[in-house]
Amino acid sequence: AQTVTQSQPEMSVQEAETVTLSCTYDTSESDYYLFWYKQPPSRQMILVIRQEAYKQQNATENRFSVNFQKAAKSFSLKISDSQLGDAAMYFCAYRWGYGGSQGNLIFGKGTKLSVKP
Amino acid sequence: GAVVSQHPSWVICKSGTSVKIECRSLDFQATTMFWYRQFPKQSLMLMATSNEGSKATYEQGVEKDKFLINHASLTLSTLTVTSAHPEDSSFYICSARVPVKRTDTQYFGPGTRLTVL
Repeated sequence: AQTVTQSQPEMSVQEAETVTLSCTYDTSESDYYLFWYKQPPSRQMILVIRQEAYKQQNATENRFSVNFQKAAKSFSLKISDSQLGDAAMYFCAYRWGYGGSQGNLIFGKGTKLSVKP
Repeated sequence: GAVVSQHPSWVICKSGTSVKIECRSLDFQATTMFWYRQFPKQSLMLMATSNEGSKATYEQGVEKDKFLINHASLTLSTLTVTSAHPEDSSFYICSARVPVKRTDTQYFGPGTRLTVL
């Protein structure tokens, strides 16, 4: 069965510093997709970044970047120059196909990130 | 990015009544919509997958007679909680998928908080 594990229930970072959130997953598929979603206190889920497994290059979106280690099945999120607005729950998610149930997202349990001023 | 709306954002009802929640994709057509349930400080739990023009596919353990899903058009899906009870109180989130193969991405609505008295 495909699973997503986030081993850090809570993390804290000082404003302007860098923090890394961990995510590991288990799959026997070779072609799949990984995502990081942010859920701020408003509870609106926001896509932060996505990574396609067939791409070796790590995805980057402004201050957000990932370290994708396919062999280790690891997909960590690095937030640089942390801002107060980054405080939220962060969910790692996996999808291995598209269309039908293959396209369903499998979520980790989340990591609550606090940003200290 | 694509926008998904939900209505209402918050509803309080008496035990035994039915509540309908609407999910709309505002600027795109979504052949597939998803309904999630989220308990406080927990991850999203997929309840069902809704495809336009066909019956919804429910996840194991989700009562389909209790949570009625209708996907009447490419931009609208509704979730009706029938004969609601206090244990149905939760945060319900819908998402819509743009099924363009590798760029297949889910966009989430802002959620609906249901409180059953």
